Amino acid sequence: GAGVSQSPSNKVTEKGKDVELRCDPISGHTALYWYRQSLGQGLEFLIYFQGNSAPDKSGLPSDRFSAERTGGSVSTLTIQRTQQEDSAVYLCASSPGGAKNIQYFGAGTRLSVL
Amino acid sequence: DQQVKQNSPSLSVQEGRISILNCDYTNSMFDYFLWYKKYPAEGPTFLISISSIKDKNEDGRFTVFLNKSAKHLSLHIVPSQPGDSAVYFCAAQKVAGNKLTFGGGTRVLVKP
Repeated sequence: GAGVSQSPSNKVTEKGKDVELRCDPISGHTALYWYRQSLGQGLEFLIYFQGNSAPDKSGLPSDRFSAERTGGSVSTLTIQRTQQEDSAVYLCASSPGGAKNIQYFGAGTRLSVL
Repeated sequence: DQQVKQNSPSLSVQEGRISILNCDYTNSMFDYFLWYKKYPAEGPTFLISISSIKDKNEDGRFTVFLNKSAKHLSLHIVPSQPGDSAVYFCAAQKVAGNKLTFGGGTRVLVKP
């Protein structure tokens, strides 16, 4: 498809387990972003990749969270030792770069930590 | 500290009337503002944007107004349609292309 693709769409895990969330950005987009939306809240920035530059990790809430982007395309967000407060919808976005840099979002992964 | 605020969590409007959504920000370094629309179980979709050098941008039924001195922006939808029922998020950027800072959203219900 032409849009941002995220998998899985839903993930239920037990407290303490590790999870990996995947994002396939729009082909050719140089920038990739991860956000999360907790229940009843707005979207919260997590991490941002732009080309080959070092990622902006300033939004990651703890060292249990990490992300990588391989080959400038697919990205994986990893949460280690999940906690109940990690339950949220994790959204990925990509953008083409340039002056008008609209971010296009995927449908998200709903993570539930029991 | 919430840098972007949408003080109205919900809004109900009659079909055909105007919907006005408000957004306030505190960081004067923001120079680009966007509105996104979100349906349940879908990702946000871009609606309209405005640069800090402008005070108005219009696209069809959607108009965004920016008042820099008041650090306030608003989205007008005229006329409102039932398909406009969704959650609307205001977002801001310090540099175009960088991370977005979102408000908490306003849920709009357009009644037929």
